[in-house]
Parts: sequence; structure tokens; C-alpha cells
Amino acid sequence: GESVGLHLPTLSVQEGDNSIINCAYSNSASDYFIWYKQESGKGPQFIIDIRSNMDKRQGQRVTVLLNKTVKHLSLQIAATQPGDSAVYFCAERRRGSQGNLIFGKGTKLSVKP
Amino acid sequence: GAVVSQHPSRVICKSGTSVKIECRSLDFQATTMFWYRQFPKKSLMLMATSNEGSKATYEQGVEKDKFLINHASLTLSTLTVTSAHPEDSSFYICSARTGTDYGYTFGSGTRLTVV
Repeated sequence: GESVGLHLPTLSVQEGDNSIINCAYSNSASDYFIWYKQESGKGPQFIIDIRSNMDKRQGQRVTVLLNKTVKHLSLQIAATQPGDSAVYFCAERRRGSQGNLIFGKGTKLSVKP
Repeated sequence: GAVVSQHPSRVICKSGTSVKIECRSLDFQATTMFWYRQFPKKSLMLMATSNEGSKATYEQGVEKDKFLINHASLTLSTLTVTSAHPEDSSFYICSARTGTDYGYTFGSGTRLTVV
């Protein structure tokens, strides 16, 4: 299940299940979105991206969905593995900015074997 | 692929001293680099955008005299935390645009502890 509170939201799933991580972005002028995975003590690792003129993009085991109407982004991970355990962040790039990325709050994914 | 090297990975310094963190693009030229700060169990907060040959653009609330950014070459940007205090202890991460419109690469981060 998913919990939200003072700490980082956590999503716990069973190994082999599919995971869905959600993100609400703030600016309707954002033109590019990226999902990152971050393991403890390391920098963000690129997972998948999507441009604002698309609503879905698929990778090897991951899918990103973009709903511009409600400013919502989701990351779906198929057949979640223990190695997927990490914190996941969405990032948006605002059109007209210097190309900087603004990060969402993050979700901690915990995969139970 | 594009690689960004960040150094040091970990540093401990005394209050009042200054610490310099380096961010290098190893196999590409980065006209724009970004510096982020991350507290435990929190997200990455953009501190500043660094452009080669010009002054950095700081986000609201970030003291430019405390966090000095220099981007003197196309492959190196530095962040200097001046007169460090314990509340500056954090994880600092740099990122560089790879030259394509959609390319961003992140460094591995620097854990700063001020004692």
C-alpha cells in the first residue's frame, strides 16, 4: 500500500507485482518530464522521459503516462524486482527557463521478496 | 554515454571554513550546469544554474555570497560553500546538459558534513 505523511511517501509491493508511482507537477508550461531513480547516497539515475506532445512512452519494463489535463505523471514498473527498491522522483522542465529541472517530492519504493 | 564526475564524494570540514566541490563533464562540453541540494529523505532542490563564461543564476532564497559558483570552462563548474556552518551539511549534486535538447546527466553527489 501507499502511505503519505511527514516522511517520504512509501509504496510497498511484492516482488513480481507491478508498481505504479504517481507524481503531480505544478506548471502547465512544462514541456519535458523525466523519471529518476535514486539509491541511497548516489545521484539520480535516468529511467525514462516523455515530451509534452506525447501521453505515453514505454521502455524495457517501464511505462510513463502523462496527463496534461490534470498535470499528472505516472511511472509503471512491470514485474517489480528487489533491485527496483529506491526513491523515485519525477522532474519537469519549464518552457522558457534555462532548461533547469524541478524535482517532485519523491516516492520510496520498497519491494518485498 | 555522457558522464559527469563530481568530486569529492564525501567531505567533512570545520565550521567557518570553505569547501569547494567540483563538477566535470568528462566526454562532452557542458555550457550549462545545475547545482542541487538534498536533505535526508527530501527531494532535490535547485540552487543555481551555471552558464560557462557568465554569472550563475541563483534560485530564490539561495545566498550567492555563501554558495559561490564558477563555470570558467566548458567542462568544469565549481561550487564553493563559504564559511560553512552545520546547517550547510547536506548532499550536493550537480547536473549538466549534454548539448542535446533533452539530455541531462547527473554527478554522483557530494556529502558535506560541517562539524
